[in-house]
Amino acid sequence: EAQVTQNPRYLITVTGKKLTVTCSQNMNHEYMSWYRQDPGLGLRQIYYSMNVEVTDKGDVPEGYKVSRKEKRNFPLILESPSPNQTSLYFCASSWGSRAHSTDTQYFGPGTRLTVL
Amino acid sequence: SQQGEEDPQALSIQEGENATMNCSYKTSINNLQWYRQNSGRGLVHLILIRSNEREKHSGRLRVTLDTSKKSSSLLITASRAADTASYFCASVSGSARQLTFGSGTQLTVLP
Repeated sequence: EAQVTQNPRYLITVTGKKLTVTCSQNMNHEYMSWYRQDPGLGLRQIYYSMNVEVTDKGDVPEGYKVSRKEKRNFPLILESPSPNQTSLYFCASSWGSRAHSTDTQYFGPGTRLTVL
Repeated sequence: SQQGEEDPQALSIQEGENATMNCSYKTSINNLQWYRQNSGRGLVHLILIRSNEREKHSGRLRVTLDTSKKSSSLLITASRAADTASYFCASVSGSARQLTFGSGTQLTVLP
């Protein structure tokens, strides 16, 4: 089944404790992206990747890191989480020809993160 | 900053009625997409309309795009209780094809 998976689905942690949220897709998509969703703000893009070893900042990249060593995986790293990073996080992927890299995005189920 | 603004923020209708949601955006776009989100779940792509298109249909969905007004609308006809969800527009612009979401419309369809 074609899908985007994220782990963990739920995470409660404390300020400053490094964490990684994994994202994997099995559709051979080139484009992958991370979003955070907060009430009243919709989805805001954190980072995106057009292809392996190519990553770029989105609208709200501060406090986050990503890597794209393999096509299928795009982990989100919080080196020193803070309470303002408490949010619902979504990973997404899409086909990546340069002309149509975000024509249809496939979303993962979400990771609800709470930073105490 | 949010590219898209949606109107209304919340909409409650009876089953069988039509639901219309509007979206405005600020800069030139390549295409505009509509997504649906059931509570706390991932978004599901509904329909895409390109900047050179004015109207598009998919089943009970009808999307219009007015690039002169930088706005789009999503019409769901003959709504069902199962259509209850949040609906987001997302504009695609720039050479990197960045996707920018609006704040969404919460649709409730009452049985």
